[in-house]
Amino acid sequence: GESVGLHLPTLSVQEGDNSIINCAYSNSASDYFIWYKQESGKGPQFIIDIRSNMDKRQGQRVTVLLNKTVKHLSLQIAATQPGDSAVYFCAELEDFNKFYFGSGTKLNVKP
Amino acid sequence: KAGVTQTPRYLIKTRGQQVTLSCSPISGHRSVSWYQQTPGQGLQFLFEYFSETQRNKGNFPGRFSGRQFSNSRSEMNVSTLELGDSALYLCASSFRTGDHEQYFGPGTRLTVT
Repeated sequence: GESVGLHLPTLSVQEGDNSIINCAYSNSASDYFIWYKQESGKGPQFIIDIRSNMDKRQGQRVTVLLNKTVKHLSLQIAATQPGDSAVYFCAELEDFNKFYFGSGTKLNVKP
Repeated sequence: KAGVTQTPRYLIKTRGQQVTLSCSPISGHRSVSWYQQTPGQGLQFLFEYFSETQRNKGNFPGRFSGRQFSNSRSEMNVSTLELGDSALYLCASSFRTGDHEQYFGPGTRLTVT
């Protein structure tokens, strides 16, 4: 597959453990955020979103936390599985329809 | 239904040449956004088209251009290619402009030699 991030920070977790991926955003006025997952050779895939009027949002096995005070987002993945191995990006809405993407974190799940 | 398709998937060009990449959105989607992805800069927004009009543009030189056809298919063009243009070019479609739920294609890997 294609390498999408040769210099990405990497998080290695054991299968079954919980994973926490962090992201700092830049614009305190941003009111909408998305987490994407990108597997090798594929485009980013939407995981979960959150608006700035929320602190937490839960999906299936995933939770996003938003701390507006320190401009920080985190993605928690419960019971991490080998299929979760990918690069994860946070994206903040910069303009009406323009997103600014973080640099990404590579998640390695060890069986 | 079929996802976003991009052609070609891989392309090798020489400095100074130009290139055209194609994106077919999901059926019914009328907004197409283009992104450049590199190891150094990550994912960067290029531009968005809706109803054959460019709605928003990122911070890229004028060598990067695009267009959208009446069937919502979109093309992007890069003229006078530079080595630094080597990247994965991704397009994403959504139902309409301002719709934040975007669906990405697999990308076109462009290598400039």
